[in-house]
Amino acid sequence: AQKITQTQPGMFVQEKEAVTLDCTYDTSDQSYGLFWYKQPSSGEMIFLIYQGSYDEQNATEGRYSLNFQKARKSANLVISASQLGDSAMYFCAMRPAGNQFYFGTGTSLTVIP
Amino acid sequence: NAGVTQTPKFQVLKTGQSMTLQCAQDMNHEYMSWYRQDPGMGLRLIHYSVGAGITDQGEVPNGYNVSRSTTEDFPLRLLSAAPSQTSVYFCASSYQGHGYTFGSGTRLTVV
Repeated sequence: AQKITQTQPGMFVQEKEAVTLDCTYDTSDQSYGLFWYKQPSSGEMIFLIYQGSYDEQNATEGRYSLNFQKARKSANLVISASQLGDSAMYFCAMRPAGNQFYFGTGTSLTVIP
Repeated sequence: NAGVTQTPKFQVLKTGQSMTLQCAQDMNHEYMSWYRQDPGMGLRLIHYSVGAGITDQGEVPNGYNVSRSTTEDFPLRLLSAAPSQTSVYFCASSYQGHGYTFGSGTRLTVV
């Protein structure tokens, strides 16, 4: 079975602090991709970061990094130096070999000034 | 601008009416899909296509039809709208193995 789990419905973080958003996945495929998307209140879906299952190093994109622990099947998103504009919904997604994407239910992040 | 274009952005339908949500991409992506987003449920796959002439069902296909006559276009048809189809609909496209590019979404209300 293919599944993505995000167990944090809502998170709060102080401005300029780092925050980790949790994501675990389940797949029997050896080759897969893991993605994080941001959805601000305006509604659009914005791609943040990608990690391939065979990538040995954790992906980083500016203030975003993906903490990939393959044995634990986790792909947590770390946002460093949080900004007010980071307040949004965040979705973890997996794309196994079969082309379909599987999304988690999302985490709502609120950055407090 | 290159990307995924969805129309309309907002729509109100009466129960039993039919309509088509339009989706077009100009990136020559072979893979296109439709999702619906409901509070607390994330994004659920309705239908997808791996290329022109090929479509398949996702997790929640009932009440919806799709076709893919060209690489660029992937319309979603609501056959007989029901209040349960009130949702935000996203079209997305990608190359195989890559991440999605999403459209801006359609907010549909069925009364």
